[in-house]
Amino acid sequence: GAVVSQHPSWVICKSGTSVKIECRSLDFQATTMFWYRQFPKQSLMLMATSNEGSKATYEQGVEKDKFLINHASLTLSTLTVTSAHPEDSSFYICSAREFVQPQHFGDGTRLSIL
Amino acid sequence: ELKVEQNPLFLSMQEGKNYTIYCNYSTTSDRLYWYRQDPGKSLESLFVLLSNGAVKQEGRLMASLDTKARLSTLHITAAVHDLSATYFCAVDIDAGGTSYGKLTFGQGTILTVHP
Repeated sequence: GAVVSQHPSWVICKSGTSVKIECRSLDFQATTMFWYRQFPKQSLMLMATSNEGSKATYEQGVEKDKFLINHASLTLSTLTVTSAHPEDSSFYICSAREFVQPQHFGDGTRLSIL
Repeated sequence: ELKVEQNPLFLSMQEGKNYTIYCNYSTTSDRLYWYRQDPGKSLESLFVLLSNGAVKQEGRLMASLDTKARLSTLHITAAVHDLSATYFCAVDIDAGGTSYGKLTFGQGTILTVHP
């Protein structure tokens, strides 16, 4: 079945640093990738949608300069949280799909900013 | 704006009992999904429902879709402890362009099955 690998699974870093999260589709071409954020005991909130080779489309209220998304190839998208602060601590989940197929989710990245 | 509402939000039930989780959504949709999430984990896909009247079953879980009523149900039969998890429904709108494939999630139903 379709596999999406997300890395790292858990990261702890100091306030002010930038953190990059990778999302890879291992056995299919990810024409579209999605990035979600989930706070404890809450649902998933879509942050942005990226199509390969295009700029990401951000949801309302998501700062594009804060959350940089790159989808340069059909198998890799990255989310960089720039100048991270404690309020950015969350569970970040990516998903990928090939054309109109259902999304496949990565295992998530737990980000803790001290 | 699409709204997806699940109920109940919390469900504590005894092993062996049956119950139904409901997912209502506010606009026409092509696809509805059910996912399971265990604590600290990502989402596990349970069902994809693609048409009105679709019914799918896997083990003790059965999902159905009524697109006219904009309602999906997840029925639990003879619950066991291993089913304890958070269950999400999500709706996919075919809006074309960059919106296609965007999922809007319900709030989630936290299910606890106890002896």
